[in-house]
Amino acid sequence: EPEVTQTPSHQVTQMGQEVILRCVPISNHLYFYWYRQILGQKVEFLVSFYNNEISEKSEIFDDQFSVERPDGSNFTLKIRSTKLEDSAMYFCASSEGRAGGVDTQYFGPGTRLTVL
Amino acid sequence: GNSVTQMEGPVTLSEEAFLTINCTYTATGYPSLFWYVQYPGEGLQLLLKATKADDKGSNKGFEATYRKETTSFHLEKGSVQVSDSAVYFCALGRYNNNDMRFGAGTRLTVKP
Repeated sequence: EPEVTQTPSHQVTQMGQEVILRCVPISNHLYFYWYRQILGQKVEFLVSFYNNEISEKSEIFDDQFSVERPDGSNFTLKIRSTKLEDSAMYFCASSEGRAGGVDTQYFGPGTRLTVL
Repeated sequence: GNSVTQMEGPVTLSEEAFLTINCTYTATGYPSLFWYVQYPGEGLQLLLKATKADDKGSNKGFEATYRKETTSFHLEKGSVQVSDSAVYFCALGRYNNNDMRFGAGTRLTVKP
């Protein structure tokens, strides 16, 4: 069964450094997403991406975040200058992109980001 | 706004016990409702979903019915197994909108 994959599973970085989290969505899906879960808190929406551009983003997704689809398979989340409060589990998801209705989103296993 | 509130955990049950995890929602329009499960060390897996009122989603012995009158989508299983130990998330998806709203998650531990 096709699945969303994410690398690395765990990333440790120093405050102020740039990190790139990588995702390979399900191959025939058209919508891609990033969510985060701070330890012990809710899963929160960050951004959705369709047709090579951001379709929606939350208040959390500020100028230090960016997303990119650099090729036909990868979808990346970049954090330019990490802060301690960016420490969280980051989930990538993808969906088919059916016209109308609510798309079912399929999630990857997550990347745990630790900022020291 | 649109949100999901689910029963706080942790929940500890003995094998073969009956499980209920409560979930209520607040939404405008006609949301779809989901339960996701996160097994230890893994990502979020879709467990079941319901797209309109009175729909029942079911999978692996779990069921949840979309109740518009009580704005609820409670998860139930008649006889839990040790392998059901995981964190369960209730979530809401809105029509033509991409951001899923998740509950806080309920950790279930099933003891033999």
